[in-house]
Amino acid sequence: AQSVTQPDIHITVSEGASLELRCNYSYGATPYLFWYVQSPGQGLQLLLKYFSGDTLVQGIKGFEAEFKRSQSSFNLRKPSVHWSDAAEYFCAVGADNGQNFVFGPGTRLSVLP
Amino acid sequence: KAGVTQTPRYLIKTRGQQVTLSCSPISGHRSVSWYQQTPGQGLQFLFEYFSETQRNKGNFPGRFSGRQFSNSRSEMNVSTLELGDSALYLCASSSSGNPNEKLFFGSGTQLSVL
Repeated sequence: AQSVTQPDIHITVSEGASLELRCNYSYGATPYLFWYVQSPGQGLQLLLKYFSGDTLVQGIKGFEAEFKRSQSSFNLRKPSVHWSDAAEYFCAVGADNGQNFVFGPGTRLSVLP
Repeated sequence: KAGVTQTPRYLIKTRGQQVTLSCSPISGHRSVSWYQQTPGQGLQFLFEYFSETQRNKGNFPGRFSGRQFSNSRSEMNVSTLELGDSALYLCASSSSGNPNEKLFFGSGTQLSVL
């Protein structure tokens, strides 16, 4: 069975600073990897996904993530954070049999003005 | 296109009661998944329906059940409610239910069990 860890529960950065959110997964085969963002009281929105090809993937809102098989990681990055990026971020891994995704515990991002 | 719609938005029930939550997927989407979100356990997969058939099920007791109708709308039922069932229940849909496919989430139903 697949699993996901996000080591950082809460991260605070200043507006304009760079950001990296960590995600480590466990899965026997090539994983399907996703990053979602959730604003308070809302559902989740997909930022980006990886399942094959180029290991550096670009997403919406200026986010990117890099798949590193050797480290079982899929870290999310953004070069310059905006106040509107404050939200909770979830890394998720999917299996081969449909859409029973496993989500990480989430990282809450706070942005200082 | 309208997004994923979940009703009701908020629900308050007492222990022992049962509850039914509804989810209308994006038009044309055939896969509907349900997740439970709590501060302690995070997001946990409940089940997935595809073309009216339950295709996957998470590790939840039999009190949690669901179904999908021919128009892809889905309902989730929880019987004999317990305090620990208080959570945000999220529904998500996708076009064909492939594992590499994006999920579109609704805003959720916030269930409080008193």
